[in-house]
Amino acid sequence: NAGVMQNPRHLVRRRGQEARLRCSPMKGHSHVYWYRQLPEEGLKFMVYLQKENIIDESGMPKERFSAEFPKEGPSILRIQQVVRGDSAAYFCASSISPTGSNQPQHFGDGTRLSIL
Amino acid sequence: AQSVTQLDSHVSVSEGTPVLLRCNYSSSYSPSLFWYVQHPNKGLQLLLKYTSAATLVKGINGFEAEFKKSETSFHLTKPSAHMSDAAEYFCVVIHGSGNTGKLIFGQGTTLQVKP
Repeated sequence: NAGVMQNPRHLVRRRGQEARLRCSPMKGHSHVYWYRQLPEEGLKFMVYLQKENIIDESGMPKERFSAEFPKEGPSILRIQQVVRGDSAAYFCASSISPTGSNQPQHFGDGTRLSIL
Repeated sequence: AQSVTQLDSHVSVSEGTPVLLRCNYSSSYSPSLFWYVQHPNKGLQLLLKYTSAATLVKGINGFEAEFKKSETSFHLTKPSAHMSDAAEYFCVVIHGSGNTGKLIFGQGTTLQVKP
């Protein structure tokens, strides 16, 4: 029973390029969450999606960042025109139903994004 | 608004001695609380969760946490540290009163275990 799968594990981009991060939730999970972890900090919520719908994007920067979770295929976090400050670890989590005390989120191993 | 504060950024213990990682929460509602562990270059693993059914929560790998409403605390403990426990630990609360999906993380506590 595979867990949350994220790829790539490491991604290097030059300033101005686009970064695409992929996340396949656990089997049977239709709720996906993206978090960003800056060096020496805790994780910060970015966006919550449920198949084909964005439920909460209150943590997402207004520009250059977008997320989708299509009916088929993985969830994608897309960062356009990357800047040095986008360097971070990006984590995806999934749950079988909306997160509550009985439905914890299961995390992937993250994508480490480095901007040259 | 919900928040969690981890009182120590770094804790160092000797192998075989008790572990105490402190967390205080702030919540307008009855909170849902979790502890996660993150090993280097890995994702987060759920250690335990508070479901309001019992104030003393037992988790994996011998960890447990006690919910104390009067002290707004949810400290993580383990009777005897093992070298493999060295990692980053996060106290987490769910945002809002319902199933919002948004987790609020503490700043993390790095646990060092000395031989």
